[in-house]
Amino acid sequence: DAGITQSPRHKVTETGTPVTLRCHQTENHRYMYWYRQDPGHGLRLIHYSYGVKDTDKGEVSDGYSVSRSKTEDFLLTLESATSSQTSVYFCATRQDRGSVNTEAFFGQGTRLTVV
Amino acid sequence: KQEVTQIPAALSVPEGENLVLNCSFTDSAIYNLQWFRQDPGKGLTSLLLIQSSQREQTSGRLNASLDKSSGRSTLYIAASQPGDSATYLCAVNSGGYNKLIFGAGTRLAVHP
Repeated sequence: DAGITQSPRHKVTETGTPVTLRCHQTENHRYMYWYRQDPGHGLRLIHYSYGVKDTDKGEVSDGYSVSRSKTEDFLLTLESATSSQTSVYFCATRQDRGSVNTEAFFGQGTRLTVV
Repeated sequence: KQEVTQIPAALSVPEGENLVLNCSFTDSAIYNLQWFRQDPGKGLTSLLLIQSSQREQTSGRLNASLDKSSGRSTLYIAASQPGDSATYLCAVNSGGYNKLIFGAGTRLAVHP
């Protein structure tokens, strides 16, 4: 799993509250990503980072923000949680070897339930 | 917009069968394609990465092929075992910053 730790692993929160998920990696990989996985949709990209303080939006970024102040940490914040954000969230990393042909490695996921 | 489709959505086979999982994508301008395995409640494990210039990649009982011009990839599993039961996902890398576009997966059950 390339030394990727997601926390928390499970969380139940109430509608309207802010929530922050953490991804921590020990591989010094340049690229980091947040995906969500929902039945019938596969994984969809929320936000990604290509370096410290360098982030951009993915396909389903509305209602989410991210921050990356250190190489090893990538935080995903749900500004005001809604029931539609109930999902399993995965963090991924990828090494920069000057090539596009490097594998992506995934964390174990965070199951978030918004009630 | 790149779209990735996996067929079938679910597959159940007896142990020992050779099987093929299919993945198709709409835009042939890809850098590479990656196959993953996901066990229930777990993260994704990378199985194989095929570069756009390659036709095949092999790892043990797994063989992945890529036909970029037709927008197709297959994952061949030889002599299937109950331990192969999992969901298999394919993902294409066709944009900047190595972002992946995923299919919805094929859920495989291999029964003894």
